Amino acid sequence: DQQVKQNSPSLSVQEGRISILNCDYTNSMFDYFLWYKKYPAEGPTFLISISSIKDKNEDGRFTVFLNKSAKHLSLHIVPSQPGDSAVYFCAASAPLTGANSKLTFGKGITLSVRP
Amino acid sequence: EPEVTQTPSHQVTQMGQEVILRCVPISNHLYFYWYRQILGQKVEFLVSFYNNEISEKSEIFDDQFSVERPDGSNFTLKIRSTKLEDSAMYFCASSDGPLNEQFFGPGTRLTVL
Repeated sequence: DQQVKQNSPSLSVQEGRISILNCDYTNSMFDYFLWYKKYPAEGPTFLISISSIKDKNEDGRFTVFLNKSAKHLSLHIVPSQPGDSAVYFCAASAPLTGANSKLTFGKGITLSVRP
Repeated sequence: EPEVTQTPSHQVTQMGQEVILRCVPISNHLYFYWYRQILGQKVEFLVSFYNNEISEKSEIFDDQFSVERPDGSNFTLKIRSTKLEDSAMYFCASSDGPLNEQFFGPGTRLTVL
């Protein structure tokens, strides 16, 4: 049941260039999307999020774009730095009224930034 | 910066034994979660907890699993009788609102022999 798909398992980019990480989803009830970064032996670290009322959210070097009609979102990192090398997870949620909201994760993309 | 902490970092147990995984969420957070990641697979939702009760649970979270907030700071996951397939990284997370980002702990690696 792949409601959140990250179809590319890995991406390698040169330091200073742009990294574009893609994510697709199938559940039209999802309306909140998040990107997490994970280093080995650590928990996922929140990076940036976007709600379905927006199509873009920017925070420093990180920008997330949401295309609801295509059920697609992407994370842009510019400029990429070697310290960005990690596994990046796309996650989505469909909030329940007055309750918690579980995250559904993609499989992750391993980003390698070459010096 | 406040963070979610988890203990132990690694737990090895025999099949059929009970384990308790412990988490200390961020202090002003009210929403708590457990996720797990089997090696090579996705991070999967197990259970969410708010106002001293379970809000939602997945199919994975069967009768062998339970959660508890025994005091004002700890949040625990108990597996009553572990199976080999329970071997995974277990992540605790917390948030200060249902629509806000969840902050994850470093995880407990559970190995069932």
